[in-house]
Amino acid sequence: DTAVSQTPKYLVTQMGNDKSIKCEQNLGHDTMYWYKQDSKKFLKIMFSYNNKELIINETVPNRFSPKSPDKAHLNLHINSLELGDSAVYFCASSQLQVTSGNTIYFGEGSWLTVV
Amino acid sequence: QQQVKQSPQSLIVQKGGISIINCAYENTAFDYFPWYQQFPGKGPALLIAIRPDVSEKKEGRFTISFNKSAKQFSLHIMDSQPGDSATYFCAASSGGSEKLVFGKGTKLTVNP
Repeated sequence: DTAVSQTPKYLVTQMGNDKSIKCEQNLGHDTMYWYKQDSKKFLKIMFSYNNKELIINETVPNRFSPKSPDKAHLNLHINSLELGDSAVYFCASSQLQVTSGNTIYFGEGSWLTVV
Repeated sequence: QQQVKQSPQSLIVQKGGISIINCAYENTAFDYFPWYQQFPGKGPALLIAIRPDVSEKKEGRFTISFNKSAKQFSLHIMDSQPGDSATYFCAASSGGSEKLVFGKGTKLTVNP
């Protein structure tokens, strides 16, 4: 059973297109995230939702729009794709435990290539 | 203040050797310091984590050493194995925050 699953795993698309990545978690967690990992492997948080409510919104172009239909799903829609959007996008989830820290569970990533 | 600085960027170790990866932070509000391990083609996975009330935490061959006064923490991998070859990320968060700040990663290669 995959805990955090995201689709598609690979996506090659042309500049200017609009695309979506879907994510689902079956861990019962309240919080979900989108992280971006660039070609240098740097992991940067983009968005976080807690119980369908946006709680973290880093400096991300507004071409990127997350949507959380319920707490088990967090989708990422990207408009007008640019070459610089090429990266691996990781969905993740966690159940925040204040006393023990925030263990984040990552999906396997969606490899987006914009040509 | 939100940064976590990680070094080295890459590390090559012989099988059986000790791998050491270091991280430093500025934000004194950070109170949770996990290490994540990422294999090629996979997402990062929690390896081991520490809170600042202890100076060391060991799990098998993996040990975190934490120096609160220096604002530094490090990952030691004893008896390194080729299967440990991966990218390792340190991270930090504060006050039960959902926001985890990651270091830039260290690519570890363990030669057989």
